[in-house]
Amino acid sequence: EVQVLESGGGLAQPGGSLRLSCAVSGFTLSDYAGFNDYAMTWVRQAPGKGLEWVATVGRRDESSNYADSVKGRFTISRDSSKKMIYLQMTTLRVEDTARYFCAKSSSSNNVHPDMDVWGHGTTVTVSS
Amino acid sequence: EIVLTQSPATLYFSPGERATLSCRASQDIRHYLAWYQHRRGQPPRLLIFDTSNRAPGIPARFSGSGSGTDFTLTISNLEPDDSADYYCQHRLRWPLTFGGGTKVEIE
Repeated sequence: EVQVLESGGGLAQPGGSLRLSCAVSGFTLSDYAGFNDYAMTWVRQAPGKGLEWVATVGRRDESSNYADSVKGRFTISRDSSKKMIYLQMTTLRVEDTARYFCAKSSSSNNVHPDMDVWGHGTTVTVSS
Repeated sequence: EIVLTQSPATLYFSPGERATLSCRASQDIRHYLAWYQHRRGQPPRLLIFDTSNRAPGIPARFSGSGSGTDFTLTISNLEPDDSADYYCQHRLRWPLTFGGGTKVEIE
């Protein structure tokens, strides 16, 4: 069973930086598709608000995509050797305060994903 | 950007009733719509992908329908554990977007 576990949240000042990490586990050698075959996504939920897509890193060497609200400030990346997903967040704003979820694409065939495995999230608070 | 509008914002039911949740897209998204259940303090849970396909382990009480711009999630025989926020999400193209959510309360 594939699982994801987020870490790295905390308190940051406006204009500051944080790096979120997402550890992916549970792929086995018998799985048809492995870690590199699935797009991985960060989704956030601000206090009292709904879910908001943040960024997706594609399969293998496919490109990354970002919400306009974070484009140019956040960078998503993957480390295949460690089975890790990262979200480097810079120039943080108060409105970036949210719980950040890491999620796996439901299908290795999907370039634009829906997500079937989610972590419990990590909380980012941006405040002076 | 494709806007997904969910209505109504909150629904109230008794156990055993049937809930019908709506998600309307601002443009044709073909069948590329998913539904999630999000209980407080839990990760979101994929219920339905590509309009009408139940995710593994999801009971048959949950069903999805629609196409183009109008989509529906139906939950039959409501149970107290179904109390949650429900979100739709399209995957036609970037940016991915979610609807604003519908809160379902089982009293």
